[in-house]
Amino acid sequence: DTEVTQTPKHLVMGMTNKKSLKCEQHMGHRAMYWYKQKAKKPPELMFVYSYEKLSINESVPSRFSPECPNSSLLNLHLHALQPEDSALYLCASSQVSTGNSGNTIYFGEGSWLTVV
Amino acid sequence: EDKVVQSPLSLVVHEGDTVTLNCSYEVTNFRSLLWYKQEKKAPTFLFMLTSSGIEKKSGRLSSILDKKELFSILNITATQTGDSAIYLCAALIRYNAGNNRKLIWGLGTSLAVNP
Repeated sequence: DTEVTQTPKHLVMGMTNKKSLKCEQHMGHRAMYWYKQKAKKPPELMFVYSYEKLSINESVPSRFSPECPNSSLLNLHLHALQPEDSALYLCASSQVSTGNSGNTIYFGEGSWLTVV
Repeated sequence: EDKVVQSPLSLVVHEGDTVTLNCSYEVTNFRSLLWYKQEKKAPTFLFMLTSSGIEKKSGRLSSILDKKELFSILNITATQTGDSAIYLCAALIRYNAGNNRKLIWGLGTSLAVNP
């Protein structure tokens, strides 16, 4: 089973709303990621969690707040977003890589976010 | 600066044709090369390549990595309309210290297979 599940699949929110995107995996992966993808562009890394601790923040604005409550779950809390934040938000997971290794990163189906 | 370059950027073929998609990379701390297929949703994993010269196959798709020349190719034989998608290549690198890994993406090849 190589499944990463994201909810909701579609979200429309106003600029003053607070909402959350959720991600779950049961592959025993201890690295989890949030990516943002705009149309006709490759995914852009936002955050990486390793063993439930934030290890990479790619200078993401504070209106995006990640949370990793346990090894299977990853949330992205959204507050005071701008219309330009509208995009496909992708969650991904992998084994934690060590040494010279590199592990496959599996993506969820994404949450389409529209900010109005 | 780390970069991954894919070619061609777009391709239109007829069903039954064979296509070759190219991916070259110049990155530091290379770990592996990944290919994904993306339709109107999230990228679907195809292959991960770590060693040079070992072909990976899955049905009509195959891929190989040349670590000396820093490129990879993805072949699709006997193409079908369902192969129409964007094919993304990404280099997995060690990022910052420790066990962090990051994907450096190419812009993708948009493949259209016409009946």
